[in-house]
Amino acid sequence: ELKVEQNPLFLSMQEGKNYTIYCNYSTTSDRLYWYRQDPGKSLESLFVLLSNGAVKQEGRLMASLDTKARLSTLHITAAVHDLSATYFCLILGRTSGSRLTFGEGTQLTVNP
Amino acid sequence: DAGVTQSPTHLIKTRGQQVTLRCSPKSGHDTVSWYQQALGQGPQFIFQYYEEEERQRGNFPDRFSGHQFPNYSSELNVNALLLGDSALYLCASSYTGGVYNEQFFGPGTRLTVL
Repeated sequence: ELKVEQNPLFLSMQEGKNYTIYCNYSTTSDRLYWYRQDPGKSLESLFVLLSNGAVKQEGRLMASLDTKARLSTLHITAAVHDLSATYFCLILGRTSGSRLTFGEGTQLTVNP
Repeated sequence: DAGVTQSPTHLIKTRGQQVTLRCSPKSGHDTVSWYQQALGQGPQFIFQYYEEEERQRGNFPDRFSGHQFPNYSSELNVNALLLGDSALYLCASSYTGGVYNEQFFGPGTRLTVL
């Protein structure tokens, strides 16, 4: 069974600081996605990562994938208040019968 | 493009009742997945439909069933509702033939079971 762990689960940081959210998964992955969710809202797609070494950047967010370590990171550069949200990774496992599995989510609060 | 749409937005039911939630996928998408998100938790995969058949299923009881129509829209049915079924139900659509198979989520249906 595919297991996905995110850490930290809660992150409070000051504006202008940098930080990294980690997503570890237990089996071979076909694709990895990062999503953002604002309170009471649905999920907004941020990044799709396919292959080992993939790196994607959008504004202050950068996502990377290491399939050998079964690890993806979401790096936040010079955080601003608007980035406050919950961030989820989603894994599509490659093994037979593996399902789409979300991490527990990281609730990010950026303080002025 | 309207994106993924879901109806209704909110729903209140009592224990033991049955509920049907609806989802229309993004234009060009052929696959629909359903998720349950309890308050403060990550979404849990219920099942996925492709070509009008259930392709994958998560760890949910048979009370949860679904259907996909020829126009790719989908329904989620939950029978014999329990208090624990109260959650945000999210539908996501994707295109199976695409490289990324990116999941686009609808706004969700908030189900409250009293």
